[in-house]
Amino acid sequence: ETGVTQSPTHLIKTRGQQVTLRCSSQSGHNTVSWYQQALGQGPQFIFQYYREEENGRGNFPPRFSGLQFPNYSSELNVNALELDDSALYLCASSLWDRRENIQYFGAGTRLSVL
Amino acid sequence: AQSVTQLDSHVSVSEGTPVLLRCNYSSSYSPSLFWYVQHPNKGLQLLLKYTSAATLVKGINGFEAEFKKSETSFHLTKPSAHMSDAAEYFCVVGGNQFYFGTGTSLTVIP
Repeated sequence: ETGVTQSPTHLIKTRGQQVTLRCSSQSGHNTVSWYQQALGQGPQFIFQYYREEENGRGNFPPRFSGLQFPNYSSELNVNALELDDSALYLCASSLWDRRENIQYFGAGTRLSVL
Repeated sequence: AQSVTQLDSHVSVSEGTPVLLRCNYSSSYSPSLFWYVQHPNKGLQLLLKYTSAATLVKGINGFEAEFKKSETSFHLTKPSAHMSDAAEYFCVVGGNQFYFGTGTSLTVIP
């Protein structure tokens, strides 16, 4: 177990709705990254937060947004859901200051958009 | 720009035989390379990591990978496959942002 927990584990939404996914990082970690994994694909980087600031973003539209809290937990928000947003969303935590750059992943939230 | 290419989408081996999962990378500077494994309904688990200290990297569960700069490869091997090795394997390159390959599904035949 990595100590990274995500909630909920499964979620069903309809097109146009908004969704919030949550992630608790491993104790002592200060960086959280979010990835989208479509069925049969490798995970794609959405964005990363370091000490509550966005620290890099992948090729995702602005309707994908995030937050990191003082305890380093994080949220991923997706507005105006589209069918193609159906995927497994993975959160990963790491300790940026040590430059170890190993990311520890949660089990993910599976989002289905109908 | 950084990227990885996993050369096989599916690999099937018999239990007790060697495993070879192939990965080529592209990076404009000395890369950090990883192999992760994903079992069904589980998160991604780190198998091993290369960071230039040694070209042969040993990981968990008997896996190892060899970094070959001349071939821009980072293939994953295991001498003897076990049923529990059946899973999806991802080759990854990156620093703070990870770039994943498309994955190799490993089937182990009893």
